[in-house]
Amino acid sequence: DGGITQSPKYLFRKEGQNVTLSCEQNLNHDAMYWYRQDPGQGLRLIYYSQIVNDFQKGDIAEGYSVSREKKESFPLTVTSAQKNPTAFYLCASSIGQGGTGELFFGEGSRLTVL
Amino acid sequence: KQEVTQIPAALSVPEGENLVLNCSFTDSAIYNLQWFRQDPGKGLTSLLLIQSSQREQTSGRLNASLDKSSGRSTLYIAASQPGDSATYLCAVKNFGNEKLTFGTGTRLTIIP
Repeated sequence: DGGITQSPKYLFRKEGQNVTLSCEQNLNHDAMYWYRQDPGQGLRLIYYSQIVNDFQKGDIAEGYSVSREKKESFPLTVTSAQKNPTAFYLCASSIGQGGTGELFFGEGSRLTVL
Repeated sequence: KQEVTQIPAALSVPEGENLVLNCSFTDSAIYNLQWFRQDPGKGLTSLLLIQSSQREQTSGRLNASLDKSSGRSTLYIAASQPGDSATYLCAVKNFGNEKLTFGTGTRLTIIP
C-alpha cells in the first residue's frame, strides 16, 4: 500500500531536549512538507523540500531543522530552541514539478513537552 | 497575502440532509484548491482537488465548486451520513508558491 508513514504517533519530551519525528513515503513523490497544527489555527508550514538534498524554510521554521538525504525520507527535528513545541505535526508529500499539486498527508505525530 | 476563511466553524445537521460547506479566499490568483477531511487525532485525507481552470469536481456524494472571481469554493455533501462527521478543511495554492494556505476548518456533526 502506497502512503506516508509518520512515527512515533505520540511523543513526550522534557524541556531542553531535541526530538526527531520520522516521515517516510513510498509514493515516489519529489516534494515533501512538514506542517504544524494547533487548536483553532490553520495548518502552518514549517519546512518543505522539492528535491533530494534541498529544502526551504516555511513560515515558522525557527526552532526546527530538517534533512532530505533520501527521496523517501524527510525527518523533522524539534530543537530545544523551539519555544512552544507542543503541537500536532503533519508530514505531507506531492508529486512535485509538473504534477497537479495534490497534497497527501500522513497520520500525524503528537508531541507533548512536559 | 492569501487568507482562507471557513464559516461556520461548526455545523450540525440531521442524517439524510444535503449540506454545503463554504470556503472563501482573498487572492484569486490561485493554482488550485483542495478540500480535505480530518477525523479527530488523525491526518488529513484529500477529498477533492480543483485546478484553477476547473469549475467543479465530483466524487461520489461530494461535489466541490470553484468561483475564482468571487473568491469562493463550496463543498456539497449529498444525503449526509453519520460517517461524514469530521472536520473539513480547504486549502489554496497560489501560482509561484509551494505553500498551501489552509482555512481553520468546519467541524461537521451528522445527527443520526
